[in-house]
Amino acid sequence: EAQVTQNPRYLITVTGKKLTVTCSQNMNHEYMSWYRQDPGLGLRQIYYSMNVEVTDKGDVPEGYKVSRKEKRNFPLILESPSPNQTSLYFCASSFRGGNTEAFFGQGTRLTVV
Amino acid sequence: TQLLEQSPQFLSIQEGENLTVYCNSSSVFSSLQWYRQEPGEGPVLLVTVVTGGEVKKLKRLTFQFGDARKDSSLHITAAQPGDTGLYLCAGPPMTTDSWGKLQFGAGTQVVVTP
Repeated sequence: EAQVTQNPRYLITVTGKKLTVTCSQNMNHEYMSWYRQDPGLGLRQIYYSMNVEVTDKGDVPEGYKVSRKEKRNFPLILESPSPNQTSLYFCASSFRGGNTEAFFGQGTRLTVV
Repeated sequence: TQLLEQSPQFLSIQEGENLTVYCNSSSVFSSLQWYRQEPGEGPVLLVTVVTGGEVKKLKRLTFQFGDARKDSSLHITAAQPGDTGLYLCAGPPMTTDSWGKLQFGAGTQVVVTP
């Protein structure tokens, strides 16, 4: 089954404790991206990757890191999480970005206390 | 600042009524997409409109892309409870460095009651 898999689904952590949210897709898509979703603000892009070893900042990259060492994986790293990073996070992939269909994971609800 | 402005933010209607959701921008988009998101799930693509003035129909849903490629609308005829969800418009702005940046509107929450 074609899918984007994120883990974990739910995470509560403390300020400053490094964490990684994993994202994996099985559709051989070149393009992957991370979004955060906050009430009234919709989905805001954090980082995106056009291909392996190619990443770029989205609209809200501060406090986040990503890497794309393999085509299928695109982990999101929070080196020192803060409470303002409490949010619902989505990973997405698409064939080549732009106007091609984006497939989303089921989301990771992160709470930083 | 949201590049794509959606209105209204919230819409509550009775089953059988019609509704329209708007997506507007001051920027030109090469295409616009409409997604629907249900609680606890990621957004799912409904349609992509590519050509200015284009109209696409998906059963009871009609999507329109403005002639100037700055706006789009979603019209639902005879809404059903299954249409309940968060409707999001999205698209890549037509600037040279923005191909990878998919912008989303804040969404319109639609609730259809029986």
